[in-house]
Amino acid sequence: DTEVTQTPKHLVMGMTNKKSLKCEQHMGHRAMYWYKQKAKKPPELMFVYSYEKLSINESVPSRFSPECPNSSLLNLHLHALQPEDSALYLCASSQEWQFYEQYFGPGTRLTVT
Amino acid sequence: TQLLEQSPQFLSIQEGENLTVYCNSSSVFSSLQWYRQEPGEGPVLLVTVVTGGEVKKLKRLTFQFGDARKDSSLHITAAQPGDTGLYLCAGQYNNNDMRFGAGTRLTVKP
Repeated sequence: DTEVTQTPKHLVMGMTNKKSLKCEQHMGHRAMYWYKQKAKKPPELMFVYSYEKLSINESVPSRFSPECPNSSLLNLHLHALQPEDSALYLCASSQEWQFYEQYFGPGTRLTVT
Repeated sequence: TQLLEQSPQFLSIQEGENLTVYCNSSSVFSSLQWYRQEPGEGPVLLVTVVTGGEVKKLKRLTFQFGDARKDSSLHITAAQPGDTGLYLCAGQYNNNDMRFGAGTRLTVKP
């Protein structure tokens, strides 16, 4: 099973809302990632978790809060977002934190109104 | 600072034509992946190259890694409409830094 699942597939939220994105993998991978992708652009790395510990935060605003409850799950908590945060949010996993052969989920299309 | 350049940015061709996409860096890659992404979906891993001079084939797709491990190419033979998508290279460097190329948006017209 090389599948990474993400929920929800689509999310529309107001600037005062609090919501969460969820990601799950059952490949035994020890590294998990959040990316943000704007239209017609490559994915931009936001966070890396390695062995359930936050290893990289690419200077992401605090309105995005990641959480790794266990080795299979990754959440991204959203609060007080801005319209410019609208994007496709991708989760990925890899065997180890070496950015080597990442497996991506289908993404959550987020619209902030 | 490592720079990773991918070209061309856009490519529109007729079914049956051949094409090549390039990925170049000023620094040596420790490894490099090619991904394909369809609209509204996540990137799908196509191949990983690690050894300088390596050539890998995946049906009509041929991937090459330069001898000096600073460049890679993806060649598609007899392109089909189903090949349409965004092709991304992703290179890793020895300091664990990883960069995505800007992507090549390929359209294959029937």
